[in-house]
Amino acid sequence: AQSVTQLGSHVSVSEGALVLLRCNYSSSVPPYLFWYVQYPNQGLQLLLKYTTGATLVKGINGFEAEFKKSETSFHLTKPSAHMSDAAEYFCAVSDSLSGGYNKLIFGAGTRLAVHP
Amino acid sequence: DVKVTQSSRYLVKRTGEKVFLECVQDMDHENMFWYRQDPGLGLRLIYFSYDVKMKEKGDIPEGYSVSREKKERFSLILESASTNQTSMYLCASSPGTEPHSNYGYTFGSGTRLTVV
Repeated sequence: AQSVTQLGSHVSVSEGALVLLRCNYSSSVPPYLFWYVQYPNQGLQLLLKYTTGATLVKGINGFEAEFKKSETSFHLTKPSAHMSDAAEYFCAVSDSLSGGYNKLIFGAGTRLAVHP
Repeated sequence: DVKVTQSSRYLVKRTGEKVFLECVQDMDHENMFWYRQDPGLGLRLIYFSYDVKMKEKGDIPEGYSVSREKKERFSLILESASTNQTSMYLCASSPGTEPHSNYGYTFGSGTRLTVV
């Protein structure tokens, strides 16, 4: 079965600094990978996803992620953090179920703090 | 523009009560999911449904049941609420049934349930 590991439950950066949130996955088949963001007291919102094709994926709000098969990684980056980026971020991998249906397996999440 | 609606944002119930959490989606999605979210544990799948009147157990179904009488509505039921079911509950939906679907989920805003 697929699994997802997010390194670092809390990450703190200065405004304007690089954001790097780490995600490693295990999968026995080519994975579909996702990053979601959750702002306080809200549901999860899709940031970006990798399915096939280009390994560098661009998402909303200036975020991007690179799929590296050799490292089984899908790290999320943003060149310059903004105060509004403070949120919790979840990495997820698509897992297949019997009968052909899919579900997403989520990592434990990384809380990003941005300070002035 | 709202896609997945959860009926309550905050709910306080007493131990032993039967609790209903409602979720409605307006995107004609086949798949619907219930997760609970706890600090440090990420999202854990309780139940999911890939068709009307169909349901499947997720990773932590104990103490819960579900109902899907109509395609757009997926209800989570706590048969006899207990304090360890205090959590944030998230509903999500997705289209399609292909293996390793590249569709992400659309989430509701969540219901924060407190059992006292």
